Amino acid sequence: KNQVEQSPQSLIILEGKNCTLQCNYTVSPFSNLRWYKQDTGRGPVSLTIMTFSENTKSNGRYTATLDADTKQSSLHITASQLSDSASYICVVSLHASGGSYIPTFGRGTSLIVHP
Amino acid sequence: EPEVTQTPSHQVTQMGQEVILRCVPISNHLYFYWYRQILGQKVEFLVSFYNNEISEKSEIFDDQFSVERPDGSNFTLKIRSTKLEDSAMYFCASSEVNPTAGGELFFGEGSRLTVL
Repeated sequence: KNQVEQSPQSLIILEGKNCTLQCNYTVSPFSNLRWYKQDTGRGPVSLTIMTFSENTKSNGRYTATLDADTKQSSLHITASQLSDSASYICVVSLHASGGSYIPTFGRGTSLIVHP
Repeated sequence: EPEVTQTPSHQVTQMGQEVILRCVPISNHLYFYWYRQILGQKVEFLVSFYNNEISEKSEIFDDQFSVERPDGSNFTLKIRSTKLEDSAMYFCASSEVNPTAGGELFFGEGSRLTVL
């Protein structure tokens, strides 16, 4: 069964500190992996997208890594800000015949940044 | 900046009633999606729509659900005979390019459905 597991489930850090969120998946065949940020009560917003051939991709203070061999991804947040408090969701999509997009969502990591 | 808009933001309905959730995708987008998120749980894929037809649907998307693009701008999700377990936040999303080719999904703010 295609699954996406994220850890930790929740994380509390102090403003200015760095943190790393993990995503393990069993989705196969793999198409791409996305990290989303979801503020409470809002829709998810895309942070990064990674394909099979990409190992690292940065978007400002966010850096995502992908190891397609071990089926693991991480999202590293540098110099955290209070506005980083949100749920971070890993979404892995299946490479389906006909080009259909079939995403599997992780449960998300709830990040709280304290001043 | 273009955005996906959803209405209503919150709807309360009685069990057994029909509900229509509306979405206006970004104007030049071609791929449309509905997702739902039950409170405290993960986001779940419901259905994808392209070229005026359903391209994929999940196990959740049974005969109770239907989608329609009645005109050039709206994309609707209809839930017939709502059940208590349909209470959730429903997100619409759209993309210009097929997400399997790297297209980014843009999500709306969601419609919260409460079934009593």
